[in-house]
Amino acid sequence: EAGVVQSPRYKIIEKKQPVAFWCNPISGHNTLYWYLQNLGQGPELLIRYENEEAVDDSQLPKDRFSAERLKGVDSTLKIQPAELGDSAVYLCASSFTADTQYFGPGTRLTVL
Amino acid sequence: QKEVEQNSGPLSVPEGAIASLNCTYSDRGSQSFFWYRQYSGKSPELIMFIYSNGDKEDGRFTAQLNKASQYVSLLIRDSQPSDSATYLCAVITGGGNKLTFGTGTQLKVEL
Repeated sequence: EAGVVQSPRYKIIEKKQPVAFWCNPISGHNTLYWYLQNLGQGPELLIRYENEEAVDDSQLPKDRFSAERLKGVDSTLKIQPAELGDSAVYLCASSFTADTQYFGPGTRLTVL
Repeated sequence: QKEVEQNSGPLSVPEGAIASLNCTYSDRGSQSFFWYRQYSGKSPELIMFIYSNGDKEDGRFTAQLNKASQYVSLLIRDSQPSDSATYLCAVITGGGNKLTFGTGTQLKVEL
């Protein structure tokens, strides 16, 4: 069974530019998560989807970040405009049960 | 107080020894506890979960949970150099499905 797929794996952009990350969860997993991980820190939840519905987006900086999960499968996380402090690894995870989450390989974003 | 606390390490153990990784959490209502392993440059990989007080063993790994003390630990027996990684403790908090991570403990297994 394929795991969580993310693309791109690496992205380098200049500040103020937009950027988008894509995630395809494990088949059958209704819950999808986007996390941000800074160096030396644990992942921090940005948003959680149950099917198409964003049920927890309290930590998503809505002035510049947006996310969508059309048809309850794939998801896209967007940043516009990017800032230097957005440089981090963006992780997507999915789960079938309420708790056991499986992570994708992540997208390493560098903002110059 | 952080919701999930871990010593950042590094924790160095000789090959073949037992590595003991510790984690405390603040939400007394937490019910689900996880250990993830993260190699440098890679994403977290689930290695153990535990829901009940006591010990849970899986191969060389043993998770220990003490809800009264709000304490979770991971023991790795017969440590191998391939166990060298950062170990993240994670707890379901907020009475729901939010998984909160600690900052991780870096483990180094030395030859």
